[in-house]
Amino acid sequence: EVQLVESGGGLIQPGGSLRLSCAASGFTVIRNFMTWVRQAPGKGLEWVSAIHRGGSTSYADSVKGRFTISRDNSKNTVYLQMNRLRAEDTALYYCARELPGHHNAFDIWGQGTMVTVSS
Amino acid sequence: QSALTQPASVSGSPGQSITISCTGTSSDVGGYDYVSWYQQHPGKAPKLMIYDVSNRPSGVSNRFSGSKSGNTASLTISGLLAEDEADYFCSSSRSSITLVFGGGTKLTVL
Repeated sequence: EVQLVESGGGLIQPGGSLRLSCAASGFTVIRNFMTWVRQAPGKGLEWVSAIHRGGSTSYADSVKGRFTISRDNSKNTVYLQMNRLRAEDTALYYCARELPGHHNAFDIWGQGTMVTVSS
Repeated sequence: QSALTQPASVSGSPGQSITISCTGTSSDVGGYDYVSWYQQHPGKAPKLMIYDVSNRPSGVSNRFSGSKSGNTASLTISGLLAEDEADYFCSSSRSSITLVFGGGTKLTVL
């Protein structure tokens, strides 16, 4: 079965760090464009970061310099390292896979992992 | 990075058709044929409904259709069903490596 399972969320103080994980099954992350999308409580979707098949990465301006996306091919897992967290980073973080061959079309989503930044 | 503009809410009666607009700029919606639409029910992950402006993934009802004119993309749902009540989000590429979502539209089936 093709699926994504996120983990690593939790309650963290402002300025702290967290690493989110997105474990894939049924397909290989290295052969796919993978992305992180977040959704603040009661709000819309916000694109956060992406890693391309070739390994290049991209970030939204709101997280650039603080977040780092990476992947471990041996574990078939994508990560999001989040540093210098702020209250406005509080959200449900989804991992998603791009439909192969189709830009900006995410056909497989995880269930999300909640990050709460608060003192 | 400003979000794409969607109406906050739309409504329709069962059997009717509705259209949700998604307005961007020539740097995103108008510049790429990579517009997608997602349906999200409360407490659930988004579901891809339309990609590449007007294509439907396997398993998505043909009651859902997409189009684009200039800097505005549109999602039309025909023959509204109660199960269509959900939030809908558009998305567009903003460069070869970045993308942007719309603010979302709440669809109410009366």
